[in-house]
Amino acid sequence: KNEVEQSPQNLTAQEGEFITINCSYSVGISALHWLQQHPGGGIVSLFMLSSGKKKHGRLIATINIQEKHSSLHITASHPRDSAVYICAVGKYSGGGADGLTFGKGTHLIIQP
Amino acid sequence: SQTIHQWPATLVQPVGSPLSLECTVEGTSNPNLYWYRQAAGRGLQLLFYSVGIGQISSEVPQNLSASRPQDRQFILSSKKLLLSDSGFYLCAWSAGLSRTDTQYFGPGTRLTVL
Repeated sequence: KNEVEQSPQNLTAQEGEFITINCSYSVGISALHWLQQHPGGGIVSLFMLSSGKKKHGRLIATINIQEKHSSLHITASHPRDSAVYICAVGKYSGGGADGLTFGKGTHLIIQP
Repeated sequence: SQTIHQWPATLVQPVGSPLSLECTVEGTSNPNLYWYRQAAGRGLQLLFYSVGIGQISSEVPQNLSASRPQDRQFILSSKKLLLSDSGFYLCAWSAGLSRTDTQYFGPGTRLTVL
């Protein structure tokens, strides 16, 4: 079983819909990251969470440490939101650096 | 502001040839540095991380190696490439002051081994 599981793997929605992507993990973590990967491969960090909830524009990320679960929400989705969204967790490696363990990603397509 | 560079952007190499990918960071000192690989159809995987010059930790045993000859330079190498080394290689950095530092990713190198 993967340490980080994302669902769904693929999601196609219409412009304006509310989008939810889920992430569950099975290990102790220092922080959880949501990343966005564009078709060319470039990766942008969207959020880093260790508790609670964060909001940036139309994006909202929540985490429940007890349940080991996080969600990424997109409100009023737009075609430019189409990308692969990746959940990653930071595990303390003992050397002061948190190497990330990644989910396989959710491929989101927003149709106009 | 901080920036991270990777080169080359794309690379096609024959099996058995050597490899050298370079990553440099500007605008920060003593960053934590990371090499990740994304193989086709698979998620990202941490390969190496470094907390300082000459300090390399390997997460996955393989025919790749990493070096950090300077504070803001991280190099990924191989003496003999395998077909399975094909993938998208990403370098990242974090400030490293706490466990909850954001990681910033470079543009990546797409490697095809033929």
